[in-house]
Amino acid sequence: ETGVTQTPRHLVMGMTNKKSLKCEQHLGHNAMYWYKQSAKKPLELMFVYNFKEQTENNSVPSRFSPECPNSSHLFLHLHTLQPEDSALYLCASSQDGTGGTNEKLFFGSGTQLSVL
Amino acid sequence: GEDVEQSLFLSVREGDSSVINCTYTDSSSTYLYWYKQEPGAGLQLLTYIFSNMDMKQDQRLTVLLNKKDKHLSLRIADTQTGDSAIYFCAEMDTGRRALTFGSGTRLQVQP
Repeated sequence: ETGVTQTPRHLVMGMTNKKSLKCEQHLGHNAMYWYKQSAKKPLELMFVYNFKEQTENNSVPSRFSPECPNSSHLFLHLHTLQPEDSALYLCASSQDGTGGTNEKLFFGSGTQLSVL
Repeated sequence: GEDVEQSLFLSVREGDSSVINCTYTDSSSTYLYWYKQEPGAGLQLLTYIFSNMDMKQDQRLTVLLNKKDKHLSLRIADTQTGDSAIYFCAEMDTGRRALTFGSGTRLQVQP
């Protein structure tokens, strides 16, 4: 148990569906992240939030829409996805996300997403 | 962007030492990390090293850093079957203020 919880663990959706991924951290951290893990690519950073403000959007298509209502919760809203978006989506948190200190990330177990 | 490269696969026998290698490109990285991912799980921080250090030892784990060559390695002594997993090297991307990961090295431990 790392203190970062993701739901659901598995999700199958059609290309016209709208769904949301949820992440919650119980570590008192101020930074939260979404990463995408595909079978044949390195982990790809998608979004970074620091103190609820988005500080990084790594050229992610608009069909992925993040939301961070407070420092403990992070959502990823999905709509009109493509089959190539099928991947493991990992949420992580860290103490302050400034990048200038020892930025230890704590990961959730991920949501395995399949787009049909 | 910054690149972190690792070999994809390593197979060792139980009880042997494993050495997983990594090269990175961001010379301004302050910290470098090793993460472990077991099947069906997220990434777990194993150890890290500050860039002004050459070596760090933590029980069975030894991290070696050659900053001149931008080369990082993780040595696991007395490798056990429970060490079978994917190991990721990561550096702090000082521009994006987030970690950049390698592709991961799958370690297979034969009994």
